[in-house]
Amino acid sequence: KQEVTQIPAALSVPEGENLVLNCSFTDSAIYNLQWFRQDPGKGLTSLLLIQSSQREQTSGRLNASLDKSSGRSTLYIAASQPGDSATYLCAVGPLYSGGGADGLTFGKGTHLIIQP
Amino acid sequence: GAGVSQSPSNKVTEKGKDVELRCDPISGHTALYWYRQSLGQGLEFLIYFQGNSAPDKSGLPSDRFSAERTGGSVSTLTIQRTQQEDSAVYLCASSLGVRINEQFFGPGTRLTVL
Repeated sequence: KQEVTQIPAALSVPEGENLVLNCSFTDSAIYNLQWFRQDPGKGLTSLLLIQSSQREQTSGRLNASLDKSSGRSTLYIAASQPGDSATYLCAVGPLYSGGGADGLTFGKGTHLIIQP
Repeated sequence: GAGVSQSPSNKVTEKGKDVELRCDPISGHTALYWYRQSLGQGLEFLIYFQGNSAPDKSGLPSDRFSAERTGGSVSTLTIQRTQQEDSAVYLCASSLGVRINEQFFGPGTRLTVL
């Protein structure tokens, strides 16, 4: 059964710093990996999708990398801003169907606070 | 609308009652997913639809849970004889295809069972 772990569980940094959020997964048989942010009381906003054949994806100040063989992904946030404060979730999509595992498997998230 | 919509946004019910949650996916998305987010369990996958078909229902927590999708669009998740442990936020997502495409989430339905 796929397990996704995110470290750290919480992080508080001053505005302007660059930071890295970590995600690891136990089963490398994945189709893709997706990073989301979740604001309090809201749904999930998709940030980046990395297909299993890709190494990284970039969107604005965000860069996500994927090392499928080692079961790791990182989300790099450059020049952090108070508006980046949210919970960041990593999720992997299965390569094979069935067994009740056709959806994304999520980590428990990193709660990020950017201090003004 | 442009995004995934869900209704109601909040639902409070008494233990033993049935509830129905609705999801309206992004137009043209053939895949639709239901997830549940609770404090103790995090986000867990429940069921998906490809068109109107749900090939695998084994992710549903119990036989009190059922889901259907009609016309390849709107989906409803029904919970019969609700229990307090069903209290959670129920999230719906849609994508162009199953597993291979980016999933877009709705705002969720917060269910509270008293």
